[in-house]
Amino acid sequence: QKEVEQNSGPLSVPEGAIASLNCTYSDRGSQSFFWYRQYSGKSPELIMSIYSNGDKEDGRFTAQLNKASQYVSLLIRDSQPSDSATYLCAVNGGRSNDYKLSFGAGTTVTVRA
Amino acid sequence: DTEVTQTPKHLVMGMTNKKSLKCEQHMGHRAMYWYKQKAKKPPELMFVYSYEKLSINESVPSRFSPECPNSSLLNLHLHALQPEDSALYLCASSQDRQGIRPLHFGNGTRLTVT
Repeated sequence: QKEVEQNSGPLSVPEGAIASLNCTYSDRGSQSFFWYRQYSGKSPELIMSIYSNGDKEDGRFTAQLNKASQYVSLLIRDSQPSDSATYLCAVNGGRSNDYKLSFGAGTTVTVRA
Repeated sequence: DTEVTQTPKHLVMGMTNKKSLKCEQHMGHRAMYWYKQKAKKPPELMFVYSYEKLSINESVPSRFSPECPNSSLLNLHLHALQPEDSALYLCASSQDRQGIRPLHFGNGTRLTVT
């Protein structure tokens, strides 16, 4: 079982729609969860951190965490063509994994104008 | 603009060359990382330094040699690389080694081994 799994995509959404990205993780000891955006040929850029169960909103982005279900998601509201990128879910592995950050394979999002 | 600076942006080297990648951060972070990323794959951890000491080596071949001269600098020395080592090399830093705070990535060095 992979440590972090993301819906594989690619995900194509029309401009103005909501893009929904999902991620599950296997280590119940994980405490820190991150979403990174990566444009083609560029480096990952942090867009959200979440540590507690519930929702966290930042502009058009909302991260949701459910530790009981070992699930974290990212919603992108009012999607724009500039949101077209690969989104990486990253989960801190906790002490049992030497605090390494585990990345999902990424979900590629394309926003159609 | 990224607060983690990597040089060079691009590097082409032959299999017999020796080169170095450099990374600098001035955020006061005490953990620094090297990652390797191949096309359409997530970043893959290579090394972690915590308080200037090597904390994790993910069984990386010895042709990659990391160095942390001080708390702001991280180098990756390259020698006798193979074409399959061609990738985007990412440096990152974080406030803490325990990963509670996020990693901040540099812009990366695109390495091509010929």
